[in-house]
Amino acid sequence: AQSVAQPEDQVNVAEGNPLTVKCTYSVSGNPYLFWYVQYPNRGLQFLLKYITGDNLVKGSYGFEAEFNKSQTSFHLKKPSALVSDSALYFCAVRALLTGGGNKLTFGTGTQLKVEL
Amino acid sequence: DTGVSQDPRHKITKRGQNVTFRCDPISEHNRLYWYRQTLGQGPEFLTYFQNEAQLEKSRLLSDRFSAERPKGSFSTLEIQRTEQGDSAMYLCASKPGQAGNEQFFGPGTRLTVL
Repeated sequence: AQSVAQPEDQVNVAEGNPLTVKCTYSVSGNPYLFWYVQYPNRGLQFLLKYITGDNLVKGSYGFEAEFNKSQTSFHLKKPSALVSDSALYFCAVRALLTGGGNKLTFGTGTQLKVEL
Repeated sequence: DTGVSQDPRHKITKRGQNVTFRCDPISEHNRLYWYRQTLGQGPEFLTYFQNEAQLEKSRLLSDRFSAERPKGSFSTLEIQRTEQGDSAMYLCASKPGQAGNEQFFGPGTRLTVL
């Protein structure tokens, strides 16, 4: 079964510093990986995805993620953090459904706090 | 705003009452999903529609839960005889049919069962 692990409940970083939010995955077959962000009392907003191709994926708001097949990781990164990046971040993997189609299996989330 | 809307945004109900939530997906998306998110957890899959057909239901979806998507447009999720354990954020998402496309999430309906 597909699964995702986010080992850090919270990541603290100073504004202007680089940030990394970690994600490791377990899938059978080729992984389809996603990052979403959630602000308080809001739904999830899509940031970026890896389907195939270049291991470095660029997404919204200056975020990028690096796919590493040997380490089964898909860490989210940003070169310079902003206070407005403070939110809850979810890593997800596509999982196939027995009836056809697919769903997303999410990690438990990482709270990012960017301080001045 | 992703283009997926949900109504209501908040619902407070007493244990034992029935509640119904509505989701309006992006119009050209033929796939629709319901997820449930509890505090400190990521969203968990509940059910999936392709057009009007409900193709998959999670074991999380007890007999008290039912979902419909008449005419393949909006969807409703009904919970009968609510229990305190049903308190959660209920999220709807939609996507087009092509493989690999991300899901677009609505703002969610927060249910509180007293």
